[in-house]
Amino acid sequence: AQKITQTQPGMFVQEKEAVTLDCTYDTSDPSYGLFWYKQPSSGEMIFLIYQGSYDQQNATEGRYSLNFQKARKSANLVISASQLGDSAMYFCAMREGGFNKFYFGSGTKLNVKP
Amino acid sequence: SAVISQKPSRDICQRGTSLTIQCQVDSQVTMMFWYRQQPGQSLTLIATANQGSEATYESGFVIDKFPISRPNLTFSTLTVSNMSPEDSSIYLCSGLENTDTQYFGPGTRLTVL
Repeated sequence: AQKITQTQPGMFVQEKEAVTLDCTYDTSDPSYGLFWYKQPSSGEMIFLIYQGSYDQQNATEGRYSLNFQKARKSANLVISASQLGDSAMYFCAMREGGFNKFYFGSGTKLNVKP
Repeated sequence: SAVISQKPSRDICQRGTSLTIQCQVDSQVTMMFWYRQQPGQSLTLIATANQGSEATYESGFVIDKFPISRPNLTFSTLTVSNMSPEDSSIYLCSGLENTDTQYFGPGTRLTVL
């Protein structure tokens, strides 16, 4: 089974609106971390936000928030007030327990329309 | 957060040649990794660079093709050997901080003709 699933290959959003990028994960390890990265066309991978499996609150970083629903094994990224510069690929990733390997999803390409 | 640099940022190479990519971290990280990202695809882990010892390779990647060095805690190199057009990709170096967050370098865009 896929460790990380991103079911939206591409998304469009109007500038200044909010958008949710979906991510589901699969693990039996009670301790894990969930990450979101942004990859603009320049190719660099930019860390956005982290959620630990034991964290009680949803993580937030500026306009980014992570909607963590543990029972559903979902970790959706919410971007509020979209900007043109948010147009990029977005990858969800997971690290299990004490292991050093990160699993990445297939990515979602977000296009912000003016 | 760790700041990671890579050299070269891009290169165009002839088939059969080799290219060495350098990765420098501005602070100590617990782990360093090398990834490959083919056009339009997600990231694929090539190997974990171990300080002072042989790298740990993922299935499908071998040391003869992708030799890796990590002489100290903040520097690593990846060599892509005997290149073919199928090796055209973005190669990304990353470092894992003790906060468990992985940070990436800007990547090296490799084109093999």
